[in-house]
Amino acid sequence: SQTIHQWPATLVQPVGSPLSLECTVEGTSNPNLYWYRQAAGRGLQLLFYSVGIGQISSEVPQNLSASRPQDRQFILSSKKLLLSDSGFYLCAWSGADTEAFFGQGTRLTVV
Amino acid sequence: KQEVTQIPAALSVPEGENLVLNCSFTDSAIYNLQWFRQDPGKGLTSLLLIQSSQREQTSGRLNASLDKSSGRSTLYIAASQPGDSATYLCAAFNQAGTALIFGKGTTLSVSS
Repeated sequence: SQTIHQWPATLVQPVGSPLSLECTVEGTSNPNLYWYRQAAGRGLQLLFYSVGIGQISSEVPQNLSASRPQDRQFILSSKKLLLSDSGFYLCAWSGADTEAFFGQGTRLTVV
Repeated sequence: KQEVTQIPAALSVPEGENLVLNCSFTDSAIYNLQWFRQDPGKGLTSLLLIQSSQREQTSGRLNASLDKSSGRSTLYIAASQPGDSATYLCAAFNQAGTALIFGKGTTLSVSS
């Protein structure tokens, strides 16, 4: 069966510090991968999606970047965090039938 | 650009009631529609997936319908229980399968 792992679960980082969130998927190959952000009182916003290794599409301009160094690994990064980067970050994957499955999320607080 | 709207934003019902959550989308050219459940501080759990060629899907006490022509989907929950309390999210996949666009959710509270 397929599983998705996302870590860390919570993170408190100072303004200006770097960020690296990792997501890995097991039990499937060549998944579509997604990063979403959920801010308080707002819906889920799609940040990045990837259809293959090294293929990253950005949905909104922001202080973040994404990379896919391996087929089932998706990384969200920032060189310098802003207060506005605080939120709940969710990784997801989908297969051929496009049913999406989500990780447990990372609560990021920038202080 | 696809927009997904969910009504109501919040709903409180006593245990045992049947209820309907509504979802509407602006672009009927969707690949599929998916309903999720989110508990506070947790990730999303997939409840039901309706392919664009389907009209409804059922899982236990849950039934989801899809009407592409009117741009609407409903999630029907039968005999609600306190454990059903959560936020329910509706999301539409674009035809390319590259973006799942979410509504803001309906927060359900079921009292015993």
